[in-house]
Amino acid sequence: DQQVKQNSPSLSVQEGRISILNCDYTNSMFDYFLWYKKYPAEGPTFLISISSIKDKNEDGRFTVFLNKSAKHLSLHIVPSQPGDSAVYFCAASANSGGSNYKLTFGKGTLLTVNP
Amino acid sequence: GAGVSQSPSNKVTEKGKDVELRCDPISGHTALYWYRQRLGQGLEFLIYFQGNSAPDKSGLPSDRFSAERTGESVSTLTIQRTQQEDSAVYLCASKPGRYGYTFGSGTRLTVV
Repeated sequence: DQQVKQNSPSLSVQEGRISILNCDYTNSMFDYFLWYKKYPAEGPTFLISISSIKDKNEDGRFTVFLNKSAKHLSLHIVPSQPGDSAVYFCAASANSGGSNYKLTFGKGTLLTVNP
Repeated sequence: GAGVSQSPSNKVTEKGKDVELRCDPISGHTALYWYRQRLGQGLEFLIYFQGNSAPDKSGLPSDRFSAERTGESVSTLTIQRTQQEDSAVYLCASKPGRYGYTFGSGTRLTVV
């Protein structure tokens, strides 16, 4: 049972345009959401997060939107740059207030930004 | 070091052999996690250590898998009698508090 779903295995966009990566979840206990970026042969690196008490969090070119009623979040990258080409993982936690911070990950979306 | 260090970076082993993977967390990080990523899949939680508390082993897929960590130092993940389905990238992460995992680069395990 996949609790975090990234239904698009890949996405290709032109440099300068917006990239929108989507993520759906099924566990209503999830209250904290994160996006990680992964380059080949490297570990995932934290990108941006959002708590369930918010519906938007912005950090530079990256914005995460959360729609709790739809159990859906999205990552917007604008403008997209070739260096953004990577696999993006959506992750969720059901215990943001506690010390046991186990993350459930989606399968990832490969973003390719074409020059 | 500045980051989470994992060794070896690549390991090819024969089916049925035991393997040991090592993780050196960032100094001072109290929590340490092991995840694995099989081909085409997301990251699967395996085990979590927090200081001297009993580890959360709820993600270990079978009793062939075990992990140890002494205090807030190095952790080893051991897979006994490896099977082909154990082939994956094994990722270690550490964090100082509630948020902010830092992942290592992983160990790519191939069981032939």
